[in-house]
Amino acid sequence: QVQLVESGGGLVKPGGSLRLSCAASGFTFSDSYMSWIRQSPGEGLEWVSYISSGGSRIYYADSVKGRFTISRDNAKNSLFLQMNSLRAEDTAVYYCASHNGSGSSPRQYWGQGTLVTVSS
Amino acid sequence: DIVMTQSPDSLAVSLGERATINCKSSQSVLYSSKNKNYLAWYQQKPGQPPKLLFYWASTRESGVPDRFSGSGSGTDFTLTISSLQAEDVAVYYCHQYYTTPDTFGQGTKVEIK
Repeated sequence: QVQLVESGGGLVKPGGSLRLSCAASGFTFSDSYMSWIRQSPGEGLEWVSYISSGGSRIYYADSVKGRFTISRDNAKNSLFLQMNSLRAEDTAVYYCASHNGSGSSPRQYWGQGTLVTVSS
Repeated sequence: DIVMTQSPDSLAVSLGERATINCKSSQSVLYSSKNKNYLAWYQQKPGQPPKLLFYWASTRESGVPDRFSGSGSGTDFTLTISSLQAEDVAVYYCHQYYTTPDTFGQGTKVEIK
């Protein structure tokens, strides 16, 4: 069955960096567009970034542009999110999610999420 | 950005009764040439990630019970639970994927009355 397992979250000080990973299995990862979506504690959902199946098309939310970098390693069925210059407002559970199609498609499968806390 | 507004923010429904959630987009999410509405619905139970229920506004994801239905077009959409069950207690989100950035509604919390 499809599994997406995020890791790499934790407590970091403002201005610090973290690298999130998402290990995928149970589907053809190399054919799938992938997203990072976050959810602040007790809040709603915010799309962060997505990457095309081959990695050539990448988009970011304005709130993270210039600070976050999405990437993937199709040989290792893995998705990454490098987060730099972290701010308190980046505190959230970060989910990786697979698209049901191209960039403009629903997010079919979601991981359980990894919590990022930005605090001094 | 397209703003997605759900109503109500919360609702309490008796077991076996109908629950209706509305979602309105600030601009149309209907791709006319494909005749498809780029609108999805998700269910999120406490401590769990969102689960896809519907896409293209009314296409039910595999395994979703048929007491759930999705409808609407253009800017106005509805998720209906025809006969609420205890396991349906959750927060429900609409999501437009018509244009980047994707945006989600604020969520509607469904509880048992």
